[in-house]
Amino acid sequence: GAVVSQHPSWVICKSGTSVKIECRSLDFQATTMFWYRQFPKQSLMLMATSNEGSKATYEQGVEKDKFLINHASLTLSTLTVTSAHPEDSSFYICSAKAGLVTEQYFGPGTRLTVT
Amino acid sequence: GQNIDQPTEMTATEGAIVQINCTYQTSGFNGLFWYQQHAGEAPTFLSYNVLDGLEEKGRFSSFLSRSKGYSYLLLKELQMKDSASYLCAVMDSNYQLIWGAGTKLIIKP
Repeated sequence: GAVVSQHPSWVICKSGTSVKIECRSLDFQATTMFWYRQFPKQSLMLMATSNEGSKATYEQGVEKDKFLINHASLTLSTLTVTSAHPEDSSFYICSAKAGLVTEQYFGPGTRLTVT
Repeated sequence: GQNIDQPTEMTATEGAIVQINCTYQTSGFNGLFWYQQHAGEAPTFLSYNVLDGLEEKGRFSSFLSRSKGYSYLLLKELQMKDSASYLCAVMDSNYQLIWGAGTKLIIKP
């Protein structure tokens, strides 16, 4: 099956700093990548959808200036959490798909803790 | 609006069978997905249904009725490792996945 990696798997940062999370599709070209956030015991919340070479489409309520998404190639997307605050602490998961109507393949997730 | 409903939590016994239901109301339909998510991990793909009927894959089967806006995931011969959350998601007319809140399945010995 298709493999999606995320780096780092966990990160602790201080309030006010920025953190970058990478999402890579290792064995396929991802036309579309998605970024999700999941708080404990809650379901996935889609933050944004990004297509290679285009600006990301953010979901309502997600601040595009705070959560910067770059999808520069067909195998790499990055999410930068700028000026992180403790309430940004969460499990961030990316997923990728290779076509229009195919399953999404999920990365292993990144657990962010902001102190 | 778009809506996916599934039970919050279910409990079953090891070795038994459990059926997790999902009903949906979405803008268009391009298929329904079931994912499994263990605590602290990312979801993993289980099944995809776009036509009515039953799809069987080992111990897991998924059923779809488009006219009723209904699907279920059937797990047979339950094992302790099947304890997880099961997420139902529907792809709408814009090829966007609409996620249910997930069903937490607890398996007891």
